[in-house]
This record gives sequence, C-alpha cells and structure tokens, in this order.
Amino acid sequence: GNSVTQMEGPVTLSEEAFLTINCTYTATGYPSLFWYVQYPGEGLQLLLKATKADDKGSNKGFEATYRKETTSFHLEKGSVQVSDSAVYFCANGDIGSEKLVFGKGTKLTVNP
Amino acid sequence: GAGVSQSPRYKVAKRGQDVALRCDPISGHVSLFWYQQALGQGPEFLTYFQNEAQLDKSGLPSDRFFAERPEGSVSTLKIQRTQQEDSAVYLCASSPWTGDINQPQHFGDGTRLSIL
Repeated sequence: GNSVTQMEGPVTLSEEAFLTINCTYTATGYPSLFWYVQYPGEGLQLLLKATKADDKGSNKGFEATYRKETTSFHLEKGSVQVSDSAVYFCANGDIGSEKLVFGKGTKLTVNP
Repeated sequence: GAGVSQSPRYKVAKRGQDVALRCDPISGHVSLFWYQQALGQGPEFLTYFQNEAQLDKSGLPSDRFFAERPEGSVSTLKIQRTQQEDSAVYLCASSPWTGDINQPQHFGDGTRLSIL
C-alpha cells in the first residue's frame, strides 16, 4: 500500500528563517499529495495540495512541488513566523481510494 | 457554517469498558472517515462511509471496533472491551463528494480516549 516518510522533528527555527520539511512517498498509481497542519489545540487543516506531477501547491507562503522522479513533496517557506509553530503532516491519497495515508508529523517551533 | 463536531472531547474509561464516540460531519457531506492518532504519530485510517454505506473498514484493528452511520449523517465509533492500547485520539473527517480524493477532508478536533 501507499506510505509516506517525512523528516523527523522537532524543528526549531528563528523568525524569518527558511524552512524545509522533507517528505517522500511510495504509492501505486499516481497519488494526490497533501500537507496538513495542526496548530496547538486545533484540529488538522489542509495547508496545500498537488494532484499531478510538477504541480506546485501553495498557501500562506508555504509551497510544495510534486516531484514524480524523486517521489517527493517537500514543504518550504522562505520566511517563517512565530504563528507557523505547529505540527505538519505530509499525506497521500490514491485515486480510487479516498483514504489518506499520513506521515508521522514534524513539529515546528519558531522562536521570536 | 459549522465544522465537523466530535464528542466527547475527552473520554476516560477503565479497561474492559465499552465506549462510543460521536461524529457530526459538515451538513451535506457524503464521505465520512475515522482515523486513529497515537501519541507522536500521524493519523491512521480506520474506516470510511459513503452516505450510510461502510465501504472500507480495512483499518479497524480488531473486531472490538465497530462503526456505523445509519442515516448517512452522524456516525458513531464504538469500541468494546477497551484495552490500554486503544488509548489515542480518534479523528473524524468529512468531505463533500465521494470518488474524488482531491476533495479536501475536513477534520474535527478529535476525541482523546484514555484507557486506565
């Protein structure tokens, strides 16, 4: 079945630093790829998604590009803010199966 | 509008007791999912409904776990004879249309279950 491997945390950065959280996947077929975020005390929220190779998902200054050749979907942000402190989950979903397969999550802490 | 609502937010039970967790999806959402999230882990799929039909229950860890959605709206996840390893956060998600993984799943805040 599908699987997702993402960078182990925790990650601690200073405000305005560059962020990368690595995510690679295995899947049969051509999965859609997602990043979900869980802010402290809140539920999971969709951050961004990409549905086919070379697609770039973006939202709130975050970006991730669907790389079929490297089976990767790394999350990046050029300048993080304290409010970005959260746990980030990479996930994939296969066409024909609506369930999502999540990575273990990466906790990000941004210090002022 | 209201999001996905789960109740209770916290549940403490003694080992061997039965528990029932409720999920109220976003009105009109066809698809409903249950996930289990152990501490420090990502959510893991348990089961999926399309309206009242349970189309996939491959993630249910044992026959002690049972889910239903009798009228295609509210869903209940029941765990019988609870064990300590059942301690986790149980997440419910809904999405508006079946057959399209690209529709985002909207998650509730979860029920944190602790088995003593």
